[in-house]
Formats: sequence, structure tokens, C-alpha cells
Amino acid sequence: SQTIHQWPATLVQPVGSPLSLECTVEGTSNPNLYWYRQAAGRGLQLLFYSVGIGQISSEVPQNLSASRPQDRQFILSSKKLLLSDSGFYLCAWRRSGGVYNSPLHFGNGTRLTVT
Amino acid sequence: RKEVEQDPGPFNVPEGATVAFNCTYSNSASQSFFWYRQDCRKEPKLLMSVYSSGNEDGRFTAQLNRASQYISLLIRDSKLSDSATYLCVVNRGRDDKIIFGKGTRLHILP
Repeated sequence: SQTIHQWPATLVQPVGSPLSLECTVEGTSNPNLYWYRQAAGRGLQLLFYSVGIGQISSEVPQNLSASRPQDRQFILSSKKLLLSDSGFYLCAWRRSGGVYNSPLHFGNGTRLTVT
Repeated sequence: RKEVEQDPGPFNVPEGATVAFNCTYSNSASQSFFWYRQDCRKEPKLLMSVYSSGNEDGRFTAQLNRASQYISLLIRDSKLSDSATYLCVVNRGRDDKIIFGKGTRLHILP
């Protein structure tokens, strides 16, 4: 069976510090990978998605970046955090290959507070 | 027009009642439709996929109207444990970008 791991679960970082959140998927190959952010009391905002190693699509211009160094590894980074980067960050995977009704499967999320 | 729109609620419904949620999407080329449930401070979890012919899973029924670009979720015999935020989810066109509505909050009252 497939599993998705995301860490850390919570993080408190000062403004201006760097960020690295990691997500890995097990039990499947060549998944589509996604990073979402949910600000307090708000909906899920798609940040990045990837259909393969080194292939990253960015949805919202911001000070965040994403990388996919391996097939089942997706990393979200920032060089300098802003207060507005606080939120609940969620990694998700989905079967690739045009399986249109394949749903997203989420990790447990990282709750980031920038102080 | 927003890509995926939902009534934010909250819907306050007595236990045992039937409740319906609606969602509209803007991209006529969208192919995949889902309803997710999100509990407070948790990750979203798949409730059900939505198929063109409509589908049912126990007390839950989902419908898709492609002509009106509209999907719905019906919950019958609501239970206290149904209290959550319900998220309408659509893939944006023929690519793999999955977009969430802002969600509808549901409170089931004892």
C-alpha cells in the first residue's frame, strides 16, 4: 500500500530564517506530487506541483520554491521566511498517467508559525 | 469568476436532517471531481469521487452536472460525526492541477 510521510509536524521559525519541508511517498512510482498551503481559516492554495523528477510548476509567485530531486521526494524551501508564510503546509500525491479520477492523498501536514 | 466556488456556510443542521452542498467550477474542460472532508487542524481526507452518472456511498450522494458546471453533495440522516468542513475539488482542465474550493462548514446539532 502507498504511504506519504511529511515532516516536521510543527515548526516555529523567525522571520528571515530559511525553511525546508520534506515529503516522501512509498509504495508507488512516478506519482504526481503537490504542495498546498492553508492559512488560518482559509482554503487550500496550490503552491507547486510536479509530474516528474526536476519538473516543477509554480502556481503563485512568492518567496517559496520546490524541488523534486528523486521520484518520490518533494521539498518545499524558502531562503527567507515572511510572517505571511505562516500556515498549514500539506503535501499530497496522486497517480499519474492520465488517470483522471485518481484522488489526492495527503500527508499529515506541517503547521508553520513564523514569528 | 473563481475556479471553484462553494457556499462557506456555516450550515447548522439538526441531527438526522438532510443537508445539501453545492459547488460550481469555471473550467469546462475539467475532468476530475471529488468531495473531501477536513476536520479542524487536520489534513483533508477523500469522501468520494464524483462521476458523471452520479454515485452514492451509504448516506452520501454526489451528483455532477457538466452542462451547468456544478457538483453537489447530499448527506442523509446526518450524524454528529458529520460535523466538518466539506471541500469541493476539481482538476483544472486537462492537466494535473487540482484546485480546492474554500469549503463549506457543517455543524450537526444534537
